[in-house]
Amino acid sequence: EAGVTQSPRYAVLQEGQAVSFWCDPISGHDTLYWYQQPRDQGPQLLVYFRDEAVIDNSQLPSDRFSAVRPKGTNSTLKIQSAKQGDTATYLCASSFAGGYYAEQFFGPGTRLTVL
Amino acid sequence: GDSVTQTEGLVTVTEGLPVKLNCTYQTTYLTIAFFWYVQYLNEAPQVLLKSSTDNKRTEHQGFHATLHKSSSSFHLQKSSAQLSDSALYYCALSEGNMGYKLTFGTGTSLLVDP
Repeated sequence: EAGVTQSPRYAVLQEGQAVSFWCDPISGHDTLYWYQQPRDQGPQLLVYFRDEAVIDNSQLPSDRFSAVRPKGTNSTLKIQSAKQGDTATYLCASSFAGGYYAEQFFGPGTRLTVL
Repeated sequence: GDSVTQTEGLVTVTEGLPVKLNCTYQTTYLTIAFFWYVQYLNEAPQVLLKSSTDNKRTEHQGFHATLHKSSSSFHLQKSSAQLSDSALYYCALSEGNMGYKLTFGTGTSLLVDP
């Protein structure tokens, strides 16, 4: 079974530039999560979806970040006008809806550096 | 809100000796689950252990942990550390009210020396 895949693996941009991250979850997983992991910190949830619906985006900086999952499968996280403070690894995870005890399976992440 | 605390940023242990990684939490919810994730260099985090039952020991790959709601803890232990155990370990809390949201600790790097 293929795991969660993400692309690109690395991105380097100047402040003010835009960038998009793409995630393909495990087949059959209806719940998809995006996490931000600053260096030397644990992952912090940005947004998560059940199928195509956003369930919680309260931690997503809405003025510059956006996330979509239009068909309930793949997802894209976009940063408009990146800032140095956005430098982090962006992790995508997926799970099959099984309640709070369901395991989340993580992709390898995209390491973003904003200069 | 919920919080998870891992007090050690780095734990160094000699191969063959026991190791313990600490994890405590704060939450107002009664329905909770805990996960230990391990992240090897340049790889994705993966689940090592999970538990939702108070005072029940759970084991996997030689590691074990017991959720103690009375002390709000879910420490990870191993009786004999191996070189291959060197990795980054995260403790994470999931609570029933928010469904699927995981709250992670800051992580503990485990370094096993020969």
